[in-house]
Amino acid sequence: RKEVEQDPGPFNVPEGATVAFNCTYSNSASQSFFWYRQDCRKEPKLLMSVYSSGNEDGRFTAQLNRASQYISLLIRDSKLSDSATYLCVVNMNRDDKIIFGKGTRLHILP
Amino acid sequence: NAGVTQTPKFRILKIGQSMTLQCAQDMNHNYMYWYRQDPGMGLKLIYYSVGAGITDKGEVPNGYNVSRSTTEDFPLRLELAAPSQTSVYFCASSPWTGDGANVLTFGAGSRLTVL
Repeated sequence: RKEVEQDPGPFNVPEGATVAFNCTYSNSASQSFFWYRQDCRKEPKLLMSVYSSGNEDGRFTAQLNRASQYISLLIRDSKLSDSATYLCVVNMNRDDKIIFGKGTRLHILP
Repeated sequence: NAGVTQTPKFRILKIGQSMTLQCAQDMNHNYMYWYRQDPGMGLKLIYYSVGAGITDKGEVPNGYNVSRSTTEDFPLRLELAAPSQTSVYFCASSPWTGDGANVLTFGAGSRLTVL
């Protein structure tokens, strides 16, 4: 099993719709989780950290389910500018090894 | 602040040549990471360092070497370049937080082609 696995893409979603991404991780001892956003041919940038209680930042909501080793990202009222690749990231913590999922590409359609 | 600076931005190498990708950060971050990203794929960890003098292998270390003689610099060396090493290389750094909540700051990337 890969250390971090994400939904395959691409997701083609009409503007204004809600879209959800899922991610699973293999190491139950992992403590820190993140979603990064990557625009075409650019470096990844932090979108949001994922906390145990779940957290929200405007139209974005991240949730963590430790029992199922599962992380999610929900984007509400999607905008054209949300088109990007979304990367699930896990800090394995045993040695601060930070592992990325393959990413899920999102296309918002006008 | 310059943040994380990578050089060169682009490079073409012939098979069997060697080169070093440079990475420098001016944020006094303890942790530094090298990733590679192949087309349409996520980032794969090559090597990382939790402080000067300490380096560890990531997911795909074969064919690469690193050193961390200072906090600021983390060069990545490719020995005997192969076409399979054609990729975009990203360097990143993060501060030590003690709880694993390391947020990465990335450089702009180095695009390497091996022919």
